[in-house]
Amino acid sequence: LAKTTQPISMDSYEGQEVNITCSHNNIATNDYITWYQQFPSQGPRFIIQGYKTKVTNEVASLFIPADRKSSTLSLPRVSLSDTAVYYCLVGDLMDSSYKLIFGSGTRLLVRP
Amino acid sequence: DAGITQSPRHKVTETGTPVTLRCHQTENHRYMYWYRQDPGHGLRLIHYSYGVKDTDKGEVSDGYSVSRSKTEDFLLTLESATSSQTSVYFCAIQDTANYGYTFGSGTRLTVV
Repeated sequence: LAKTTQPISMDSYEGQEVNITCSHNNIATNDYITWYQQFPSQGPRFIIQGYKTKVTNEVASLFIPADRKSSTLSLPRVSLSDTAVYYCLVGDLMDSSYKLIFGSGTRLLVRP
Repeated sequence: DAGITQSPRHKVTETGTPVTLRCHQTENHRYMYWYRQDPGHGLRLIHYSYGVKDTDKGEVSDGYSVSRSKTEDFLLTLESATSSQTSVYFCAIQDTANYGYTFGSGTRLTVV
């Protein structure tokens, strides 16, 4: 499983765009990049997933450069409710033995 | 959320007693997982199942056993609870549509 590295914590203010970068230098050809969000006392929630270039949904955007050794989760105009821990995971989703292995994540604090 | 429920939501038990946590899903997903989450450790995989009667160990399986006699139920048993097993336990299923994981609301277990 490709190891990921994320900042431990980030601070932002309401209305700002937040970009959280994840490093995954040894990502494999078949690996996808997936991001989860976790609020206190809740299970992680799937946010977005991608393989290359850019993916956008109603919640976030995911930017993946051509070499795929990193990815950036972009949260537009954050609000206080975006305060959470964000996890970046990498793995071959099609592999029947694939299991989510979580790192420490990035703790995002959004201030008023 | 996505037809996954955990029971009980909270439990206090004494050291040395057996405890069983239940995860129930209504969407016929093949893959199910048990994680525990502790401060400073993030989420760690205990056991997972890839079908009825098909289970395997995760990162921290010692002291735990699982059973899956039917698709919808995945049981986690602490054979003889210890204080080190005080934790929040999350069950998850894998959505074969996008390979994202959906987590239950968690069970907070306290072993005294």
